[in-house]
Amino acid sequence: GDSVTQMEGPVTLSEEAFLTINCTYTATGYPSLFWYVQYPGEGLQLLLKATKADDKGSNKGFEATYRKETTSFHLEKGSVQVSDSAVYFCALSSPNTGNQFYFGTGTSLTVIP
Amino acid sequence: KAGVTQTPRYLIKTRGQQVTLSCSPISGHRSVSWYQQTPGQGLQFLFEYFSETQRNKGNFPGRFSGRQFSNSRSEMNVSTLELGDSALYLCASSLGAVSSYNEQFFGPGTRLTVL
Repeated sequence: GDSVTQMEGPVTLSEEAFLTINCTYTATGYPSLFWYVQYPGEGLQLLLKATKADDKGSNKGFEATYRKETTSFHLEKGSVQVSDSAVYFCALSSPNTGNQFYFGTGTSLTVIP
Repeated sequence: KAGVTQTPRYLIKTRGQQVTLSCSPISGHRSVSWYQQTPGQGLQFLFEYFSETQRNKGNFPGRFSGRQFSNSRSEMNVSTLELGDSALYLCASSLGAVSSYNEQFFGPGTRLTVL
């Protein structure tokens, strides 16, 4: 069945460091891919998405490129800030499964000053 | 515009009891989805309701059920609670039926602890 695997955390970085959170997926057909962010005590928020191969989603300095050949959607940011500390979830949705969302287990990021 | 609200925010129950959680979507949103979030499994989809009809269902036992009212508010019920039901239950609403093009907006969740 459809699934998402993302790198285990927690991840701790210094401010202004480069961030990569790996995400790979398994899906039938052509899913759309998403990154969500969850700040402490809050619900998930959509960070960015890509709906077809080679699309790049971007928002707030974060980027991810939909790579069909490697079934990946890695999240990157060139210079993280303390305010980026949160849990990040990779997800997919495919019409083949009624557009049901499948989420990864989440990666906790802490950025220290 | 008010966001998705969930009540109560925290619940403590004992094994064998049942529980009802409530979700009020963003005004005008017609779809409500429920997810269970646990440290080991991450977020797992429970079900989606759209215009009072269950549109999609995840792989959970029949003890988990839900419904949606004509004002789009939704409730989920868990009967005969088990220790493993302890989790954060998240509700998400979207303008239309869940798809890549209808963004889901999540509430803060209800933390259920089963003792």
